[in-house]
Amino acid sequence: DGGITQSPKYLFRKEGQNVTLSCEQNLNHDAMYWYRQDPGQGLRLIYYSQIVNDFQKGDIAEGYSVSREKKESFPLTVTSAQKNPTAFYLCASSTSGVAAPYEQYFGPGTRLTVT
Amino acid sequence: QQQVKQSPQSLIVQKGGISIINCAYENTAFDYFPWYQQFPGKGPALLIAIRPDVSEKKEGRFTISFNKSAKQFSLHIMDSQPGDSATYFCAASTKGSQGNLIFGKGTKLSVKP
Repeated sequence: DGGITQSPKYLFRKEGQNVTLSCEQNLNHDAMYWYRQDPGQGLRLIYYSQIVNDFQKGDIAEGYSVSREKKESFPLTVTSAQKNPTAFYLCASSTSGVAAPYEQYFGPGTRLTVT
Repeated sequence: QQQVKQSPQSLIVQKGGISIINCAYENTAFDYFPWYQQFPGKGPALLIAIRPDVSEKKEGRFTISFNKSAKQFSLHIMDSQPGDSATYFCAASTKGSQGNLIFGKGTKLSVKP
């Protein structure tokens, strides 16, 4: 059963704590993405990775960090430097290549609440 | 120039009616225009996509109309059903963007029975 899994579905943290959101895919996709979704704001790109051990900042990377040590995994850390971390976080993946862009497949999301 | 402007923010349609959502862009380098459907608490899923070499694409009850000269594209949902109630996002991308999508802010569609 192929797809993208994100865990946990709901996450609660105290202000000042770093938190890591998990994203795993078994679609054999090279590219992976992290988005943040706020009400009425659409989806905004945080980080993306086209290949293992390489990643690029998106539009709103400040206060976030990522790693891409394995093709299947692209964890996102929300650091204490992120001013307003409460949001719905979505991970996506796609194939990549010269004929890009390709369809992005999304995970079910993690809702993070920081108090 | 990188924005995609989507309207309306919300839309209420009677069952069996036509739902129309519009998007406009400025960047003429955009060459891929997908629409995503998102149900509450779920991730978005690709509904239908178009490239600018065609003016219309139809898949079942869903049609994208594309007007290259006006830099606009729209989603039409024919015979709208209560199960279509969801938030719809348009997006755009260019070949040189490594597949990165620019999303509109979304339209919340409610189809009344």
